[in-house]
Amino acid sequence: QQPVQSPQAVILREGEDAVINCSSSKALYSVHWYRQKHGEAPVFLMILLKGGEQKGHEKISASFNEKKQQSSLYLTASQLSYSGTYFCGTEGLSNDYKLSFGAGTTVTVRA
Amino acid sequence: DGGITQSPKYLFRKEGQNVTLSCEQNLNHDAMYWYRQDPGQGLRLIYYSQIVNDFQKGDIAEGYSVSREKKESFPLTVTSAQKNPTAFYLCASTPGGIPSTDTQYFGPGTRLTVL
Repeated sequence: QQPVQSPQAVILREGEDAVINCSSSKALYSVHWYRQKHGEAPVFLMILLKGGEQKGHEKISASFNEKKQQSSLYLTASQLSYSGTYFCGTEGLSNDYKLSFGAGTTVTVRA
Repeated sequence: DGGITQSPKYLFRKEGQNVTLSCEQNLNHDAMYWYRQDPGQGLRLIYYSQIVNDFQKGDIAEGYSVSREKKESFPLTVTSAQKNPTAFYLCASTPGGIPSTDTQYFGPGTRLTVL
């Protein structure tokens, strides 16, 4: 089952902050975050694992609340390059070796 | 340079025809994946393969078929049984067979349009 992302879209001015949320109806082992520019392939940002381990991007941070089955991606001091669609991908505890992706959050950063 | 190649970038097909989308990787990755992307729906998994000569159905496998005869290649055939095949198709791979701890590397995608 696909996770639910919110908001669907957000518009920011350079330097502003934003939070993107990802919620799942099932217990999770990991949450992945990707960013996709229009017409391009998604690019890896972050993996958050059950137990707190985190791997990823230097300037974008994220949290993973295992009990609530939620993850949040924090865009801090946004730059024009942050524009794109952000997807979360989740893997359940059954370790079925596949990710389920949310519908995406479109972020537009304006000068 | 290592990476994933998908061809062609744009593909047009007439209704009722089968078409095969190519995906090749030279990253020596074990696992490969096919996703379909429609506007507003994110990525949906079609098929995936963790090792050569083995693959599993994803969430929307009906109307699609795959093969994994070589580690570096994972072609996707869109058959005439797929009712609404117009979409953006993305191929991905991971170093191991476990996406939990592995980054998925995506190819540039193929945009299929059925006329």
